[in-house]
Amino acid sequence: KAGVTQTPRYLIKTRGQQVTLSCSPISGHRSVSWYQQTPGQGLQFLFEYFSETQRNKGNFPGRFSGRQFSNSRSEMNVSTLELGDSALYLCASSLGGASYEQYFGPGTRLTVT
Amino acid sequence: KNEVEQSPQNLTAQEGEFITINCSYSVGISALHWLQQHPGGGIVSLFMLSSGKKKHGRLIATINIQEKHSSLHITASHPRDSAVYICASSLSGGGADGLTFGKGTHLIIQP
Repeated sequence: KAGVTQTPRYLIKTRGQQVTLSCSPISGHRSVSWYQQTPGQGLQFLFEYFSETQRNKGNFPGRFSGRQFSNSRSEMNVSTLELGDSALYLCASSLGGASYEQYFGPGTRLTVT
Repeated sequence: KNEVEQSPQNLTAQEGEFITINCSYSVGISALHWLQQHPGGGIVSLFMLSSGKKKHGRLIATINIQEKHSSLHITASHPRDSAVYICASSLSGGGADGLTFGKGTHLIIQP
């Protein structure tokens, strides 16, 4: 069974630009969660999608948004990038959310200059 | 608000030693996850447990629901066990929430 894939793996953007990251979950998994990892804050929950619906959202500004498609693939978008958005963005898929075993993708490392 | 605390933050040990990493959380949870992250960023799920004890190879995870505490043990540690170990919890009440993470334990096993 193929694992969770994320594209792109690395990205360099300029302040003020926007970015879209993609996550393809394990086949059969309907839940996709997104996380941000920085050296200062560690891992933080962004949002979770299940069957195309956002079920929960972490404490991030509205510049961070996402969506999920009918094939369970998910995208997250960050608009008006700030230097502090530089981070490793990880997605994880599961059968039903955070109370199920999580399968993480390799992450997208975003650098904002 | 759920808070997850891990200790120690850093741990250096010699090959073969028995390793214990501790995790405590502040509210009722539905599941406790132990994750492993190697340099480069990839995260692997080691255990997910809601009660009792689980074992996989040289790794053992336990949880005490009453004390809101979990431990990860590594027996006969090996340099390849060097990684960051992270515990994370999900709240009671269903799957519609995200994980809350501890800050991680940086483990180095010296040959």
